[in-house]
Amino acid sequence: AQSVTQPDIHITVSEGASLELRCNYSYGATPYLFWYVQSPGQGLQLLLKYFSGDTLVQGIKGFEAEFKRSQSSFNLRKPSVHWSDAAEYFCAVGVAGGNKLVFGAGTILRVKS
Amino acid sequence: EAEVAQSPRYKITEKSQAVAFWCDPISGHATLYWYRQILGQGPELLVQFQDESVVDDSQLPKDRFSAERLKGVDSTLKIQPAELGDSAMYLCASSLESSGYTFGSGTRLTVV
Repeated sequence: AQSVTQPDIHITVSEGASLELRCNYSYGATPYLFWYVQSPGQGLQLLLKYFSGDTLVQGIKGFEAEFKRSQSSFNLRKPSVHWSDAAEYFCAVGVAGGNKLVFGAGTILRVKS
Repeated sequence: EAEVAQSPRYKITEKSQAVAFWCDPISGHATLYWYRQILGQGPELLVQFQDESVVDDSQLPKDRFSAERLKGVDSTLKIQPAELGDSAMYLCASSLESSGYTFGSGTRLTVV
């Protein structure tokens, strides 16, 4: 069955430091991959998505992610974190032709000044 | 920018009572989803509609949950009777084919 693993429950980085959030997926077919961000008590905002083509995907707010098929990974990166990036981040794989999202458990990002 | 509208934002109900949530997707989006997000977990799909038809409700607890999208536009999710374990965020999303999903702000349900 399809699944998504986000190994880090919490991550703390200093403002201005680089960030990498890990995501591994298990899915038998070509995956559609997504990263969402959620602020407390809010819905999910799409940061970026990968369907096909270039494996390095650019998203909003300066985020990017790289699809590595050999590692079944889709890690999210940002070169310089801002305090406003503090939130919870969810990786998801789209199954059934991309029409159903299976989410990881999320990674909570804390930014220290 | 088009949004998915959900109401209410917050709902407190006593166990064994009925509760309903409403969702209005982005205009023209044929696919509508209801997800449940328990605190500390990622969202889990409850039901998916394509127009007015249910495509996937395999994770919907059908003894107490029901969902409808009568005219293929807005949708209602109902719980009757509510149980303590139903406390969660209920998220609605809509999509146009596989171009990506737009989520609403959710309804935070607390069952007491």
